[in-house]
Amino acid sequence: SAVISQKPSRDICQRGTSLTIQCQVDSQVTMMFWYRQQPGQSLTLIATANQGSEATYESGFVIDKFPISRPNLTFSTLTVSNMSPEDSSIYLCSVIKDFEAFFGQGTRLTVV
Amino acid sequence: KQEVTQIPAALSVPEGENLVLNCSFTDSAIYNLQWFRQDPGKGLTSLLLIQSSQREQTSGRLNASLDKSSGRSTLYIAASQPGDSATYLCAVYHSGTYKYIFGTGTRLKVLA
Repeated sequence: SAVISQKPSRDICQRGTSLTIQCQVDSQVTMMFWYRQQPGQSLTLIATANQGSEATYESGFVIDKFPISRPNLTFSTLTVSNMSPEDSSIYLCSVIKDFEAFFGQGTRLTVV
Repeated sequence: KQEVTQIPAALSVPEGENLVLNCSFTDSAIYNLQWFRQDPGKGLTSLLLIQSSQREQTSGRLNASLDKSSGRSTLYIAASQPGDSATYLCAVYHSGTYKYIFGTGTRLKVLA
C-alpha cells in the first residue's frame, strides 16, 4: 500500500495568483499522478510526473498553467498558475503500487 | 481513447434495498478495475480492486464483478444503509498507458 500526504488541504486564493500543492508518499514510486475534480464532476487526469524528466500532460492541460516538479521518488508539486474562478476544484495526487491506485486527501481550491 | 461511463448518474433508494451500479469502458485492454467511494468534499476511499484475471471481488456487503470482453463492471450493494450515501466511482487501469481513467460517477442516496 501507499500513504500519501497532500497539503494544503484547502485554500482560498485571489484570482491572478498561483498556488503550489505538495504531495509526499511514504515509499518510492516511479510515477505520480495529478488529477482535477471540478464541482460535481469526476476525476480528470492532469499529468503524469516522472522523476528526472518533464511531466506528461493530458489533452487540455499545459505546462505553463500547471507546472509540475518531481525532485525525487517520493515527492511532487503541482502549481496552479494565474488562477481564475474556473480553477476552483479539488486537486488530488495519486500513485499506483502493484496496479492499485492510492490517493491523497486532496486540496480543495477556491478562487475568488 | 479509453472512455468510462457509469449508469445511473444518480440513484435514490429506500434503506434496505439491494442495488447495482454499472460501469462500462470502451477499451478492454485493462490490467484491472477499481471501485471507489467519495463522500461530499472528501477524498477517495478504495472499495474493491478487481484484477483482469478475476471475475469478481467481495468485501462485506459489496460485490464487484468484471467482464473484460464486454467492457463492463457492476458493483452490487446488499441491504443498503443511509451510511452508503456517497458518490461511487469506477476507474480502469489501462494496460497501454499505465494510468487510471475514471468513470463519470454515480451519486447514491439511501433514504432512512
